[in-house]
Amino acid sequence: KQEVTQIPAALSVPEGENLVLNCSFTDSAIYNLQWFRQDPGKGLTSLLLIQSSQREQTSGRLNASLDKSSGRSTLYIAASQPGDSATYLCAVLDSNYQLIWGAGTKLIIKP
Amino acid sequence: ETGVTQSPTHLIKTRGQQVTLRCSSQSGHNTVSWYQQALGQGPQFIFQYYREEENGRGNFPPRFSGLQFPNYSSELNVNALELDDSALYLCASSSGQNYGYTFGSGTRLTVV
Repeated sequence: KQEVTQIPAALSVPEGENLVLNCSFTDSAIYNLQWFRQDPGKGLTSLLLIQSSQREQTSGRLNASLDKSSGRSTLYIAASQPGDSATYLCAVLDSNYQLIWGAGTKLIIKP
Repeated sequence: ETGVTQSPTHLIKTRGQQVTLRCSSQSGHNTVSWYQQALGQGPQFIFQYYREEENGRGNFPPRFSGLQFPNYSSELNVNALELDDSALYLCASSSGQNYGYTFGSGTRLTVV
């Protein structure tokens, strides 16, 4: 059974710092991995999608990597801003075409 | 290109009642899936439809049921509501496994 874990559960850093969020999964048989952002009480905004054959994807200040063999993904945020404060979730599309989710990392960027 | 829209945005129901939540898929997307997200937790997969057929189901009881229509919009029905059904219900659509999922803003259901 696929399980997804995100560490840390919460993170608070000063504005301007670079930071890394971690996501691990137990079964490497995935189609892709997707990182999402969720603001309090809101829906999910897709940030980056990495196919199982890819190693990384970049969008602006965000870079996501995927190491399928070790079951790990990282989301790197450069030059963090207060507007980046949100909960970040990763999800893998498993062999049954189901999205399996981590519990998220709550990120606070202090001005 | 419109995104995924869900209705209603908020809903309050009494225990034992039935509820129907609606989702309009993004244009061109033939797959829709539903998730339940309790406060402070990640979403939990309820079920998924592909071209009007259910093609995956999570660990939810039969009182959670759904439909996908020919225009690929979808409904989630929950019968005999329980207090623990209170959650944010999210709908997502996709045009295939290589393209990721696009999510709606969710329906906040409160059961009292």
